[in-house]
Amino acid sequence: DVQLLESGGGLVQFGGSLRLSCAASGFTFSSFAMSWVRQAPGKGLEWVSTITGGGDRTNYADSVKGRFTISRDSSKNTLYLQMNDLRAEDAAVYYCAKEGSLKGDFDHWGQGTLVTVSS
Amino acid sequence: QTVVTQEPSLTVSPGGTVTLTCASSTGAVTSGYYPNWVQQKPGQAPRTLIYSTGNKHSWTPARFSGSLLGGKAALTLSGVQPEDEADYYCLLYYGGAYVFGTGTKVTVL
Repeated sequence: DVQLLESGGGLVQFGGSLRLSCAASGFTFSSFAMSWVRQAPGKGLEWVSTITGGGDRTNYADSVKGRFTISRDSSKNTLYLQMNDLRAEDAAVYYCAKEGSLKGDFDHWGQGTLVTVSS
Repeated sequence: QTVVTQEPSLTVSPGGTVTLTCASSTGAVTSGYYPNWVQQKPGQAPRTLIYSTGNKHSWTPARFSGSLLGGKAALTLSGVQPEDEADYYCLLYYGGAYVFGTGTKVTVL
């Protein structure tokens, strides 16, 4: 079975940094694009970033471009999100998602990790 | 900034039919936007029900169907069950970037 387990969330100060991890299992990790999606408390879903299976291409939402970096380590079957210069609006539950064979088919999701930003 | 708009809320009776729509600020939604539909129940992680307009996953109940309707993506629930009460988000692909819709809260009453 496909499993995605996020970790690394927590309380961070305004302007600080945090690195999220997503441990993947149950599929050939390097064969599939992976994404991060976030959800602020009481709000809707927001796509954050996607990385291709080989890690050679990345895309970011304008709201995080230049501050967040997505990466992956196929030797560890782990996806990462390095978040720098954190702002109040970055506070959210962050989900990692595996992309299926077609664009935007996030066919499996993790349970999420909560990031809180304090001033 | 691209905005993807959905109905904020819809109410449907058990056994009834309801259609949710998904419109793009850039124009008509086509299959090239790979419309996806994601369900989220309170306190749970999201779950994708429909991908690439009308394709279903193994876990997608048969009563859910996706289509294109009048320049929008659409999700139709036929024979609604109480457990279908949830938030539904569409997701569109814009050549490398994705945008989620504003979400529709479906109430089964």
